[in-house]
Amino acid sequence: DTAVSQTPKYLVTQMGNDKSIKCEQNLGHDTMYWYKQDSKKFLKIMFSYNNKELIINETVPNRFSPKSPDKAHLNLHINSLELGDSAVYFCASSRILTSGGNTGELFFGEGSRLTVL
Amino acid sequence: GNSVTQMEGPVTLSEEAFLTINCTYTATGYPSLFWYVQYPGEGLQLLLKATKADDKGSNKGFEATYRKETTSFHLEKGSVQVSDSAVYFCALSALIKAAGNKLTFGGGTRVLVKP
Repeated sequence: DTAVSQTPKYLVTQMGNDKSIKCEQNLGHDTMYWYKQDSKKFLKIMFSYNNKELIINETVPNRFSPKSPDKAHLNLHINSLELGDSAVYFCASSRILTSGGNTGELFFGEGSRLTVL
Repeated sequence: GNSVTQMEGPVTLSEEAFLTINCTYTATGYPSLFWYVQYPGEGLQLLLKATKADDKGSNKGFEATYRKETTSFHLEKGSVQVSDSAVYFCALSALIKAAGNKLTFGGGTRVLVKP
């Protein structure tokens, strides 16, 4: 079974469209993330949710809206797509951090490559 | 804020050569340090980690030692194989609000091993 799964794996769309990427994890983790990887492979965190609560929100345009219906799912919705949104988006999850516990390891999905034409 | 700097690639090597990828970091507190690997067309996989000073992480012949005095976590492998061709990311982990976890990544180093 895939631990962190994202759909779709590839997404090609026109500027101005709205699209969503879905993510599910079956690891029983409490925290989920979205990262963006640009064409130069640079990775940057976008959002983090812990048990459906938003805890990290980097300086991402408000066209990007994460939604977490439950702690096993974190979807990413993007409105009014722009050329610069073309990238690979990675979902990840981790255990909740407690004292003496988790070392901070993230488990990543295989990525969703978004191409905006 | 936290940051990670790693050597730019690409690094091109012959099989059985020695590999070193330098990584230095800036962080407040005591972060955990990681190396992730991304094979072509795949997501990131944890390669190794170290959670405190002087810890050595190791996996698949790769090693890295958490050096607090030099704020470094250099990755090494004594004899690389073609299958080690990938992009390698150094990262540090910072605790956020006692629940979340923010991984800050370096820019990645592409390694190409030729037969």
